[in-house]
Amino acid sequence: DARVTQTPRHKVTEMGQEVTMRCQPILGHNTVFWYRQTMMQGLELLAYFRNRAPLDDSGMPKDRFSAEMPDATLATLKIQPSEPRDSAVYFCASGLVLGQAYEQYFGPGTRLTVT
Amino acid sequence: KQEVTQIPAALSVPEGENLVLNCSFTDSAIYNLQWFRQDPGKGLTSLLLIQSSQREQTSGRLNASLDKSSGRSTLYIAASQPGDSATYLCAVRQDTGRRALTFGSGTRLQVQP
Repeated sequence: DARVTQTPRHKVTEMGQEVTMRCQPILGHNTVFWYRQTMMQGLELLAYFRNRAPLDDSGMPKDRFSAEMPDATLATLKIQPSEPRDSAVYFCASGLVLGQAYEQYFGPGTRLTVT
Repeated sequence: KQEVTQIPAALSVPEGENLVLNCSFTDSAIYNLQWFRQDPGKGLTSLLLIQSSQREQTSGRLNASLDKSSGRSTLYIAASQPGDSATYLCAVRQDTGRRALTFGSGTRLQVQP
């Protein structure tokens, strides 16, 4: 049963600390997305990758957020320095793009609390 | 900029009722539309994916329709059960430009036993 995995599931940290979230996409999927969910804003796209190359990171605050795919089995989202307003659930999703058609599969999320 | 709206925001029904959740989007140049379910504290589970060329998709007690020209989709749930209680999210993917999904704010469904 292939699924997207994310670690950690929960993270509590103090303001100013670095936070790294990790995602393992479904094997064989070539597109990875990072979303953020808050009560106020709902689900928002932060960044996405195709074949490990960043295609769009316009949803991400550039000064403190960075997203990378060191290899095809790992995507990371880093926040440095973290702020209380970054508290949210961060979801990773993956999909296999064939032409135009694909479906996105979501991981369980990382619940981040910055105090 | 694409905007996705879901009505109602919350819905409570007795078990066994048939119900309809609504989704509307402002830009009809979409490639597909996806309905998700989210349980409290959990991730999203894809329920149905409708390509822009399709009118509807069915899976078990769920039926999703798409009227691309009018910017609307509905999710029909037949014979609702308490286990259907969750938040249902609608999301669209554009035909051009950004390929990621734009989400609605969801409909929180409670099915009373």
